[in-house]
Amino acid sequence: DAKTTQPPSMDCAEGRAANLPCNHSTISGNEYVYWYRQIHSQGPQYIIHGLKNNETNEMASLIITEDRKSSTLILPHATLRDTAVYYCIMKGGSEKLVFGKGTKLTVNP
Amino acid sequence: EAGVTQFPSHSVIEKGQTVTLRCDPISGHDNLYWYRRVMGKEIKFLLHFVKESKQDESGMPNNRFLAERTGGTYSTLKVQPAELEDSGVYFCASSQWGGYTEAFFGQGTRLTVV
Repeated sequence: DAKTTQPPSMDCAEGRAANLPCNHSTISGNEYVYWYRQIHSQGPQYIIHGLKNNETNEMASLIITEDRKSSTLILPHATLRDTAVYYCIMKGGSEKLVFGKGTKLTVNP
Repeated sequence: EAGVTQFPSHSVIEKGQTVTLRCDPISGHDNLYWYRRVMGKEIKFLLHFVKESKQDESGMPNNRFLAERTGGTYSTLKVQPAELEDSGVYFCASSQWGGYTEAFFGQGTRLTVV
């Protein structure tokens, strides 16, 4: 079973920042927070991952709270193509990914 | 650099038949994973190879499913005999060995058993 909690759906206006929250209160010391997304029926796409420091790449930013029990994925300027289901996953090492239901993000024009 | 490749992209077979799905991981990736999503359900893990060895096959639903990874390169997933409940999308992913690396997914094989 997935060990993270995410809202089932969110809406965002095109061009605005999308902030997707995730609770992972049971995270252990060796687990990272990973974010993936699935656009329509395509294969899941890696977005970003982090341990305890905030991370940023060309796709998004990841903000992890100091106690590591929650995080927020930020898409700074959402576009229509960012409409997808976003998954927050805790994972250690080369372990498998455990997908939950994720958050369905709809970016509106 | 080529990504993870899966084929066929679609397969429609009759109940009782055999189907073999293939996955070509990114070159140099020792980790290879199979996942599947059945209609209306979440994506579920099936198994994990490290090179040619099965590291974790705890997600394999039953003995009708057989996965192999020849020489640590491509992998096949055979379903024999196929049942209606095997219908879904099968995803393959690969990642580099060691550390906390990201896994890259293929586009999946949509299997329909009729």
